[in-house]
Amino acid sequence: DAGITQSPRHKVTETGTPVTLRCHQTENHRYMYWYRQDPGHGLRLIHYSYGVKDTDKGEVSDGYSVSRSKTEDFLLTLESATSSQTSVYFCAISNGRASQETQYFGPGTRLLVL
Amino acid sequence: GENVEQHPSTLSVQEGDSAVIKCTYSDSASNYFPWYKQELGKRPQLIIDIRSNVGEKKDQRIAVTLNKTAKHFSLHITETQPEDSAVYFCAASNNDMRFGAGTRLTVKP
Repeated sequence: DAGITQSPRHKVTETGTPVTLRCHQTENHRYMYWYRQDPGHGLRLIHYSYGVKDTDKGEVSDGYSVSRSKTEDFLLTLESATSSQTSVYFCAISNGRASQETQYFGPGTRLLVL
Repeated sequence: GENVEQHPSTLSVQEGDSAVIKCTYSDSASNYFPWYKQELGKRPQLIIDIRSNVGEKKDQRIAVTLNKTAKHFSLHITETQPEDSAVYFCAASNNDMRFGAGTRLTVKP
């Protein structure tokens, strides 16, 4: 497995509370991604980063923000968690653009919003 | 944006049989098509990929074919084994990667 870790691995929170998920890589890859995985939907892109402080929205970005202050860390924040954000969140990394390079996934974070 | 459809959603085969999973995509500019395998509770892992300048690629028991004209690509697994049981995802990428909804493959011993 590529050197990708996610923390926490499991989290239970209440509606309306802020939540931050962390992705850490040791591969020095330029691109980092956040996906959510829900039954029947496969993996859907939330946000991605193409360098330090460079981020862009994905397919399902509403209600999420991201930050990347270091090459190795990519943070996903749910400003005010809702039950619809209950999901499994995967971080991924690649050395080039999605159209050119393979993406490698982290172990995932299972988030339950009550 | 890109839209990827994957069929079937579930597939059950007998050990030793072949399995075929099909995907269609909408964006003719997509040029990279990976396949991921995800075991229960684990991360998706790349098993094979193909680029738009290639029509077919093989890796041991796994092969992928791409028909750019028809905008569809397929995963073929031969001589299936129980350890092939998992959820398989196709994806298509131009700038963003879009994934199919997944196929749950069960290989019965």
